[in-house]
Amino acid sequence: TQLLEQSPQFLSIQEGENLTVYCNSSSVFSSLQWYRQEPGEGPVLLVTVVTGGEVKKLKRLTFQFGDARKDSSLHITAAQPGDTGLYLCAGAGITGGGNKLTFGTGTQLKVEL
Amino acid sequence: DAGVIQSPRHEVTEMGQEVTLRCKPISGHDYLFWYRQTMMRGLELLIYFNNNVPIDDSGMPEDRFSAKMPNASFSTLKIQPSEPRDSAVYFCASRRDRFYGYTFGSGTRLTVV
Repeated sequence: TQLLEQSPQFLSIQEGENLTVYCNSSSVFSSLQWYRQEPGEGPVLLVTVVTGGEVKKLKRLTFQFGDARKDSSLHITAAQPGDTGLYLCAGAGITGGGNKLTFGTGTQLKVEL
Repeated sequence: DAGVIQSPRHEVTEMGQEVTLRCKPISGHDYLFWYRQTMMRGLELLIYFNNNVPIDDSGMPEDRFSAKMPNASFSTLKIQPSEPRDSAVYFCASRRDRFYGYTFGSGTRLTVV
C-alpha cells in the first residue's frame, strides 16, 4: 500500500503570510496531483505534476515534484481568505496504468483577515 | 457540462436497511471511481470502472458493499445491510483517461443510526 503523509495537518495563518505544505511518501509515483476541497463539496483538481523536479505555478500557488518522484510541496504566497480549505495530494501508482490515486492525509488551511 | 452528479446529497437510514447511492459521470469519461471519506481514514478508493467494467474492487470493505455500472452514464453503490460504521461521505469521480485528473461529484453524506 502506498501511503502519502502530509504536513502540517492543520495550519491557521493571517492574510498575506506565506506557507508551504508537504506531501511525502516512501513510494515512487508516476504522477502526483493536488486538490482543494471546500466544506460540503468534492475535491477540485489544482494541478498535475509528472516529471521529477517539475515546478508548476498557478497564480500565487507553486507546486513542486521531488526529483525522485516520492514527494511534493505546495507553496502559497500572500495567502488570502479564499485559499481556505482542505488541501490533498494524490499519487498515481507506477503500475496499473496510473489509474489508482492514493490520497494523502490532508492539510486543513485557514486564512484569517 | 453539469459535472459529476450524485444523489442523494444526504441519506439517513437505520442500521440493517439497504442504501443505494447513485452517480452520473461526465459524458465521455471512460473511468468512474467510488471513494469514501472519513475523518479517521481520509479518502479511500472503493472500486473503479473502465468502460463500464469493474477493474479493481479491492477497496470494497466487505460483501455488504456492491457497485454496478449498467451503462456509461450511470453507476450505483449499494450497501446491504448498512451498519453505523458505514457512516461517511461517499464520492463518485470520473476522468476521461489516465492523463487527466479526476472530477469529483459533491458527495453523498450517509448516516447510519
